[in-house]
Amino acid sequence: GEKVEQHQSTLSVREGDSAVINCTYTDTASSYFPWYKQEAGKSLHFVIDIRSNVDRKQSQRLTVLLDKKAKRFSLHITATQPEDSAIYFCAASTPNYNVLYFGSGTKLTVEP
Amino acid sequence: EAAVTQSPRNKVAVTGGKVTLSCNQTNNHNNMYWYRQDTGHGLRLIHYSYGAGSTEKGDIPDGYKASRPSQENFSLILELATPSQTSVYFCASGDAGGQDTQYFGPGTRLLVL
Repeated sequence: GEKVEQHQSTLSVREGDSAVINCTYTDTASSYFPWYKQEAGKSLHFVIDIRSNVDRKQSQRLTVLLDKKAKRFSLHITATQPEDSAIYFCAASTPNYNVLYFGSGTKLTVEP
Repeated sequence: EAAVTQSPRNKVAVTGGKVTLSCNQTNNHNNMYWYRQDTGHGLRLIHYSYGAGSTEKGDIPDGYKASRPSQENFSLILELATPSQTSVYFCASGDAGGQDTQYFGPGTRLLVL
């Protein structure tokens, strides 16, 4: 089955700087790539996604890039704020399987 | 906003005991999921369901059963709880299979002694 990896378990940036979280996947058939945010002690909520028919998607300060050739996708957060501090999970899904495969999460800390 | 609720929110169980975790969604989503979250593993899928009466095995189904008696409710059952099942369990619902947004419940923290 699909395997999604997040190689950065932690990431620390200064407020106002940009943060980049990277993920890789293994199944070339994967076509849907969402990102979820989990604040301390809370549940997960959806932040942004990208589908394989595009290679870039932006929503306010968030941008997702998809490199299908390298089987890699990334979340870019610009002008980081303390409230961006959280664990970010990437995930992938193929059309044949009605499930999401999650990475292990990256804990982002935005320092004042 | 999608609404997924879980009960109980916290549970302490004894080894060998039976534990039932309940999930309710009011979004009329066809698909529901049970995950567990452990440090270093992210979220791992235990069971999922396409609708009332259906249950499917996820990546780590051993030691767990699931039940979907209605569109709104999806339960996770640990018949003989073990300490290795100590974890945080999340329920989620969504439509369009894995190809669309999933809405997560608040989680259940389970401690098996």
